[in-house]
Amino acid sequence: GEDVEQSLFLSVREGDSSVINCTYTDSSSTYLYWYKQEPGAGLQLLTYIFSNMDMKQDQRLTVLLNKKDKHLSLRIADTQTGDSAIYFCAEEVKNTDKLIFGTGTRLQVFP
Amino acid sequence: DTGVSQDPRHKITKRGQNVTFRCDPISEHNRLYWYRQTLGQGPEFLTYFQNEAQLEKSRLLSDRFSAERPKGSFSTLEIQRTEQGDSAMYLCASSEGGADTQYFGPGTRLTVL
Repeated sequence: GEDVEQSLFLSVREGDSSVINCTYTDSSSTYLYWYKQEPGAGLQLLTYIFSNMDMKQDQRLTVLLNKKDKHLSLRIADTQTGDSAIYFCAEEVKNTDKLIFGTGTRLQVFP
Repeated sequence: DTGVSQDPRHKITKRGQNVTFRCDPISEHNRLYWYRQTLGQGPEFLTYFQNEAQLEKSRLLSDRFSAERPKGSFSTLEIQRTEQGDSAMYLCASSEGGADTQYFGPGTRLTVL
């Protein structure tokens, strides 16, 4: 079945880059997503990548996709304290449109 | 505000009571999804609608759960005879159609005492 895994925690200094990693199992996924969740709030879409792409850049965010290894990463450049949150990667199950989420990576940014 | 809205934001209930949550999707979005998120976990898919038709239900959706989208606009999720294990954040999302980005609402946090 489908499964998405992420590391649980990441701590970075303000101004440094953050890299959040994710592995997934469903090779037929068409889209992969990154969502951000702040305490007590819903999920905010950050970015997504189509499965036939290797990289997508959107301002401070860079998504890298390695289909062979089923590995997805999110790089946040110049990380700020406002980036502190939980980051979820999700794969879209082909032909169903439902999303399978990882357990989330808690990013803590310290000054 | 044209985002997904959910009501109520918080609900505290006693075990055995029934609760109902409402979700208003982004206007003209055909698809509406319900997810459940327990503490420390990612959201888990429950069910989704294409207009008023419920197209898929997860095995997580026991007989005590029912969801409707009667006019293809807002949706309700009812939980009957609540149990402590139902305590979670219930998230709603909507999209324009198949394979389109899902936008999430703020969620309804349910606490069953």
